[in-house]
Amino acid sequence: EPEVTQTPSHQVTQMGQEVILRCVPISNHLYFYWYRQILGQKVEFLVSFYNNEISEKSEIFDDQFSVERPDGSNFTLKIRSTKLEDSAMYFCASRGTVGYQPQHFGDGTRLSIL
Amino acid sequence: GESVGLHLPTLSVQEGDNSIINCAYSNSASDYFIWYKQESGKGPQFIIDIRSNMDKRQGQRVTVLLNKTVKHLSLQIAATQPGDSAVYFCAESGLETSYDKVIFGPGTSLSVIP
Repeated sequence: EPEVTQTPSHQVTQMGQEVILRCVPISNHLYFYWYRQILGQKVEFLVSFYNNEISEKSEIFDDQFSVERPDGSNFTLKIRSTKLEDSAMYFCASRGTVGYQPQHFGDGTRLSIL
Repeated sequence: GESVGLHLPTLSVQEGDNSIINCAYSNSASDYFIWYKQESGKGPQFIIDIRSNMDKRQGQRVTVLLNKTVKHLSLQIAATQPGDSAVYFCAESGLETSYDKVIFGPGTSLSVIP
């Protein structure tokens, strides 16, 4: 069964530092996503990405956030200057086609900001 | 506002019994619904989905029911097993967001009593 893989599984960073979270989506998928989940809360949409551009983003996804697909397999989320409130689980997801298809999620990166 | 609601934060069932997890959604424009299972330390795992042109869909030991009149979704798990213990999220999507944005409910924690 193809999987979405994320690295690292846990990232500890000092406040104000930049962090890059990495994802390898399922290989033939074309739509890519980042979500976050603050401990004990629901999963929140951050951004969607298709055809090398952002297709939708939430209010959470401000100027400190950026996404990139640097090559044919990786999809990254960068936070430029981390804040304490950025501490959360970050999930990458991918989907093969438009419309009625579920997004498939990785197991996440736990980001801890000190 | 847009939301998918969860209205029983925890559910305990005896092993072998059937489980029913309920969910209310508020966006009548949503036409695609997904149930995800999240085990501790893992990402959301796709269980089953349903389109709004259906009111019931069955999978292996799981059934999703959709009542569009009252905007209600339920997940039925037959013969619940200890491995079913997890948090279950309903999620919605639709044409308004080009199916890019999946909105998660707050989740129901299912505990199976051996």
